[in-house]
Amino acid sequence: DVKVTQSSRYLVKRTGEKVFLECVQDMDHENMFWYRQDPGLGLRLIYFSYDVKMKEKGDIPEGYSVSREKKERFSLILESASTNQTSMYLCASSTQGQGNTEAFFGQGTRLTVV
Amino acid sequence: SQELEQSPQSLIVQEGKNLTINCTSSKTLYGLYWYKQKYGEGLIFLMMLQKGGEEKSHEKITAKLDEKKQQSSLHITASQPSHAGIYLCGAYTGTASKLTFGTGTRLQVTL
Repeated sequence: DVKVTQSSRYLVKRTGEKVFLECVQDMDHENMFWYRQDPGLGLRLIYFSYDVKMKEKGDIPEGYSVSREKKERFSLILESASTNQTSMYLCASSTQGQGNTEAFFGQGTRLTVV
Repeated sequence: SQELEQSPQSLIVQEGKNLTINCTSSKTLYGLYWYKQKYGEGLIFLMMLQKGGEEKSHEKITAKLDEKKQQSSLHITASQPSHAGIYLCGAYTGTASKLTFGTGTRLQVTL
């Protein structure tokens, strides 16, 4: 079974804390993605990576950074968490293609910043 | 603004009724994906459409991609409570590695 694993299902952090969300995939996929999901806004792309150490900004990168030191792991970092970053965060991975490869998703991390 | 727009944003239907969800892009799509999400969980892949005019079915769910490859519809026949959830369309836009999604449609099926 293919698997994308996110380190936590639920997380509560304080304003100003540095927060790490981890994602690991076991499918040897080149592409990895981080999204946040908010009611009425669907999934919004924060960052994506198409190779080790490569990263690209998505549509809402402000307040976030990412790290991809190994192919299987893609980390999302909130440098200084704020209450408006309270959200559901979803990680996904896919293989390289010409826009024709299915993405596999983790179960999500529900982050609350208080 | 998001490049993929879905309508309606939410839908409540009675069990047994048919329904349609639409996904529209301002750009030509090279692949269009439909996913379903149960509340609070990850996304489950439903179907991928690539060719203009393509239609695919899985159980009671049918998805179509129009000839111009800028609009897709997802049709559910004889809805059941198990169909409830959030439906999202997605596509690679800009670069071959940037996967973006629509705004989502929340479906409730009442008894």
